[in-house]
Amino acid sequence: EAGVTQFPSHSVIEKGQTVTLRCDPISGHDNLYWYRRVMGKEIKFLLHFVKESKQDESGMPNNRFLAERTGGTYSTLKVQPAELEDSGVYFCASSQVSTVYGYTFGSGTRLTVV
Amino acid sequence: QKEVEQNSGPLSVPEGAIASLNCTYSDRVSQSFFWYRQYSGKSPELIMSIYSNGDKEDGRFTAQLNKASQYVSLLIRDSQPSDSATYLCAGGRQGAQKLVFGQGTRLTINP
Repeated sequence: EAGVTQFPSHSVIEKGQTVTLRCDPISGHDNLYWYRRVMGKEIKFLLHFVKESKQDESGMPNNRFLAERTGGTYSTLKVQPAELEDSGVYFCASSQVSTVYGYTFGSGTRLTVV
Repeated sequence: QKEVEQNSGPLSVPEGAIASLNCTYSDRVSQSFFWYRQYSGKSPELIMSIYSNGDKEDGRFTAQLNKASQYVSLLIRDSQPSDSATYLCAGGRQGAQKLVFGQGTRLTINP
């Protein structure tokens, strides 16, 4: 079984540019989560999809972040325009049921905004 | 107060010894807790979960939960160099399907 796949693994962009991160969950997992870790801080929740619907987006920092999951398969997280404080590692996780117990994490996308 | 708090370390332990990792949590975190291991540049990997007061053992790993004192710990017996990683403590947020993480403790096992 393929795991959760994220790409790119690294991205370096200039302040003001746009970046799109992609997450492919484990096949059949309806639940998809985005988390991020900024420098020196803990991993924090961003949002949760159930299929293509946003179940909880309480962790999205501001309207420069847009997450989509068209068709309930892969998800994208777009940052537009990127700011320096957006630098960090963005993790995606998926699970078969809506629970904190069965997460499988991807290896993350390291985003650096310069 | 942070919802889940860990000593970020680094923690250095000689090979073969017991490594002890600790975590405290606030009232906003549920009574379900998880320990993830993360090697550099890799995904967090779930190694232990604990929901009830007391100890839970799995191989060389023992998780301990004390609800009265609001702390959870992970013991690694017979530490190996391959145990060197960052260990993340996480709890479920009350009433929501999301994890709240501590900062992680960087553990190094010295041969």
